[in-house]
Amino acid sequence: AQSVTQLDSQVPVFEEAPVELRCNYSSSVSVYLFWYVQYPNQGLQLLLKYLSGSTLVKGINGFEAEFNKSQTSFHLRKPSVHISDTAEYFCAVSSGPGGGNKLTFGTGTQLKVEL
Amino acid sequence: DAGVTQSPTHLIKTRGQQVTLRCSPKSGHDTVSWYQQALGQGPQFIFQYYEEEERQRGNFPDRFSGHQFPNYSSELNVNALLLGDSALYLCASSLGTGIFGYTFGSGTRLTVV
Repeated sequence: AQSVTQLDSQVPVFEEAPVELRCNYSSSVSVYLFWYVQYPNQGLQLLLKYLSGSTLVKGINGFEAEFNKSQTSFHLRKPSVHISDTAEYFCAVSSGPGGGNKLTFGTGTQLKVEL
Repeated sequence: DAGVTQSPTHLIKTRGQQVTLRCSPKSGHDTVSWYQQALGQGPQFIFQYYEEEERQRGNFPDRFSGHQFPNYSSELNVNALLLGDSALYLCASSLGTGIFGYTFGSGTRLTVV
């Protein structure tokens, strides 16, 4: 079975400051990892994904994440946030085609960027 | 290029009624997955359809059923609605296995009163 833990339910940060949103996962098989963003009253938009290869993954809107297998983590980072980054962020894990490619999501982290 | 389209965007139903939600996948996609997102929670997998068959199912009761049509569009049906079924229902489409990331629709907000 897979599970995802997002350690922070809310993260307030000032504009232009750096931010890290934490994600830990649990899985007995190889995993694929994703970060999605959800703006109010909208669906989910893919920010970035880790499938294999380099453990540092770059995504859209200046976000990046680092896969750490030993710590079973996939933390999301941005060096300088903007007001428009205010949204809900979800970490998700999939075991891929072999285990079914459904996504298991965390409970989300609300990022609030303040002036 | 149209993304994933869901209808209706909002609806209100009475406990015990039945509801049908609809989803048109992104052009070129052939797999549709449905997720339920309760308020303040992450989305939870309901089921996935490929080649007009249910390929995977999450931990949801039989009251939740679905269908995929030859044009890859899909319906989610929920019978005997409970108050706890109130949620945002998200449809996601993908090509095949979808491990490269789904494309999500904006969802249908279902309120059961």
